[in-house]
Amino acid sequence: GDSVTQMEGPVTLSEEAFLTINCTYTATGYPSLFWYVQYPGEGLQLLLKATKADDKGSNKGFEATYRKETTSFHLEKGSVQVSDSAVYFCALSADGNGGTSYGKLTFGQGTILTVHP
Amino acid sequence: EAQVTQNPRYLITVTGKKLTVTCSQNMNHEYMSWYRQDPGLGLRQIYYSMNVEVTDKGDVPEGYKVSRKEKRNFPLILESPSPNQTSLYFCASSLGSLRPSEQFFGPGTRLTVL
Repeated sequence: GDSVTQMEGPVTLSEEAFLTINCTYTATGYPSLFWYVQYPGEGLQLLLKATKADDKGSNKGFEATYRKETTSFHLEKGSVQVSDSAVYFCALSADGNGGTSYGKLTFGQGTILTVHP
Repeated sequence: EAQVTQNPRYLITVTGKKLTVTCSQNMNHEYMSWYRQDPGLGLRQIYYSMNVEVTDKGDVPEGYKVSRKEKRNFPLILESPSPNQTSLYFCASSLGSLRPSEQFFGPGTRLTVL
């Protein structure tokens, strides 16, 4: 079945440091890939997405590129801020492959990011 | 404001006492889903609904029921809760066939079963 693996956390950085959170996936066909962010006490919000190979999703200074050859979708940000402290989830959806997986998101385990001033 | 709402936000109950967590969305979304979030496991899908009167099991449906009588509402029912259902629950909705699973999440319901 489909699966998503994220790097182990927690990740602790100083403000303005470079961030990478690794994400790899296993899926049949051509899934859509997503990063969701969960701020303390809140629900998940879509951060960025990519729907086909070599697409780059970007938002709020975060970027991730859909790499089909390495089945990866690593999240990066050049300079993190204290306000970026949150839990980050990589996810995939097998939309387009039909069947009962339609619309379902498969999540990684989440990576806790803490940014210190 | 477009949103997904859940009630209650926090609930402490005892084993075997039936409960319902409500979920409502005001975006006219076709697709709705319930997830549970547990440490180290991410979010796992419990049930989903592709439209009114159409529901199906997700990855972890045991011990849960759902119904979809109206497009906007998708309640999660625990007929006889057990301690292993202590978790953080999220309802989500999306346009379904028109957008590739760009799902909008509710704020979550933290359930404790004693």
